[in-house]
Amino acid sequence: ETGVTQTPRHLVMGMTNKKSLKCEQHLGHNAMYWYKQSAKKPLELMFVYSLEERVENNSVPSRFSPECPNSSHLFLHLHTLQPEDSALYLCASSQVGTGGDGYTFGSGTRLTVV
Amino acid sequence: GESVGLHLPTLSVQEGDNSIINCAYSNSASDYFIWYKQESGKGPQFIIDIRSNMDKRQGQRVTVLLNKTVKHLSLQIAATQPGDSAVYFCAENTGTGRRALTFGSGTRLQVQP
Repeated sequence: ETGVTQTPRHLVMGMTNKKSLKCEQHLGHNAMYWYKQSAKKPLELMFVYSLEERVENNSVPSRFSPECPNSSHLFLHLHTLQPEDSALYLCASSQVGTGGDGYTFGSGTRLTVV
Repeated sequence: GESVGLHLPTLSVQEGDNSIINCAYSNSASDYFIWYKQESGKGPQFIIDIRSNMDKRQGQRVTVLLNKTVKHLSLQIAATQPGDSAVYFCAENTGTGRRALTFGSGTRLQVQP
């Protein structure tokens, strides 16, 4: 496996369900990110983890809960979502501090809340 | 991975022509800029980057131009091919050291055969 892998690729969930999105990076990067891409706002930053510590929470509702157990894995736990949360959720990683080449993105999880 | 439902500006070009995609960025303190390409069903892919101490950088078939005076960034694609059809985003780094990028709204490039 190379790059950034996200699972599942597609997810349909009811408003009362609890589900989790998973992201794994195989690049040795030290920072990971969650972005939301929807019809209203193309790419919105949700969370930033640098060296496994959450360094930014961009005013995201508490129904989204991130977890970064180590530098290679990032989760987004979802509960009691709303239909307007339907979007493409993208994970990215980067190497902070080296002046490197920006983010590497995963292919995303297409989430539909019914 | 496409920006479904978004009303994106669209650039339509003939195969073989050159394409120019423009972007206005917001923060005069931004020091690093990137262009990404997003094809249908995929996440954004890195194309080319440029730092604020440069005004031009060339890659394979792509050139990025930076005009800091008017906070404008452009992506030039030479000899556009059908495989170049995608949504293109510019991004700026507005956070020193932590590389949290802010993305523009995107432009859809359609290449006509």
